[in-house]
Amino acid sequence: EVQLVESGGGLVQPGGSLRLSCAAAGFTFSSYWMHWVRQAPGKGLVWVSRIKTDGSTITYADSVKGRFTTSRDNGKNTLYLQMNSLRTEDTAVYYCARDNWGSPNSWGQGTLVTVSS
Amino acid sequence: QSVLTQPPSVSAAPGQKVTISCSGSSSNIENNYVSWHQQLPGTAPKLLIYDTNKRPSGISDRFSGSKSGTSATLGITGLQTGDEADYYCATWDSSLSVGVFGGGTKLTVL
Repeated sequence: EVQLVESGGGLVQPGGSLRLSCAAAGFTFSSYWMHWVRQAPGKGLVWVSRIKTDGSTITYADSVKGRFTTSRDNGKNTLYLQMNSLRTEDTAVYYCARDNWGSPNSWGQGTLVTVSS
Repeated sequence: QSVLTQPPSVSAAPGQKVTISCSGSSSNIENNYVSWHQQLPGTAPKLLIYDTNKRPSGISDRFSGSKSGTSATLGITGLQTGDEADYYCATWDSSLSVGVFGGGTKLTVL
C-alpha cells in the first residue's frame, strides 16, 4: 500500500522559511516522479511542483518559482519542499503526491503551513 | 483562474446520475491523460479515475471517466449521500510544463 506522510508545517512569519518533508513507503520511491500540491483554506487544489525520479528535472508554478525548491533523497525515500520568502498567500495545506503521467495518483494527508505575523 | 474549467456545483437526487465536465485545451486534456479526485469535507483528496478512464482498485464502478477532444467528463451513477464532496480534474499541460487542476465541483445529493 502506498503511504505518503508529510511533515514540517507550522506557523511562520512573512518573509520566513520552512522545509516540508514527505516520507514515502509501500512503493519504489526512486522510480516515480513526485508532486507538491497545495490548497488554501476554503479554496481548490493548486499544483506547486513536480520532480523527476533522479531529481534532474524540476518544474514549478509561477507563483512559487524562485522562492520554493523541491528536492528528493531516494536513499531516504523522502521528498522535500524548501519554502523561502514566504508570503501570507502561501498559507495552505501542502500535499505530496505520487505521479502518474503528469497527474497526482496517490496523496498524503497534508501538512498545514500558516504564514502570519 | 484555473486552466481547466469545471462547473462550481452540480446536484441530483439519490439514485440518479450526474456528470461533471472539465474543459481544457489541446496542450493539456486533448493530449494527456486526465485524472479525477474526490475530496470529502476535511480530508485529503482521493484518486477516483486515472489514465482518463481507469478506476483504482477499490473504487466503485459507479464512477467513470471519459474524454472527447479538449474536454473530459466524470460520471457518477446511483448517487448516494456519501458521494457529497468536491471533485477535481487534473492533467499535465505540455506547453506550459506544469500540472493543472480544475477549480473543483461541489456535488450535492439532494
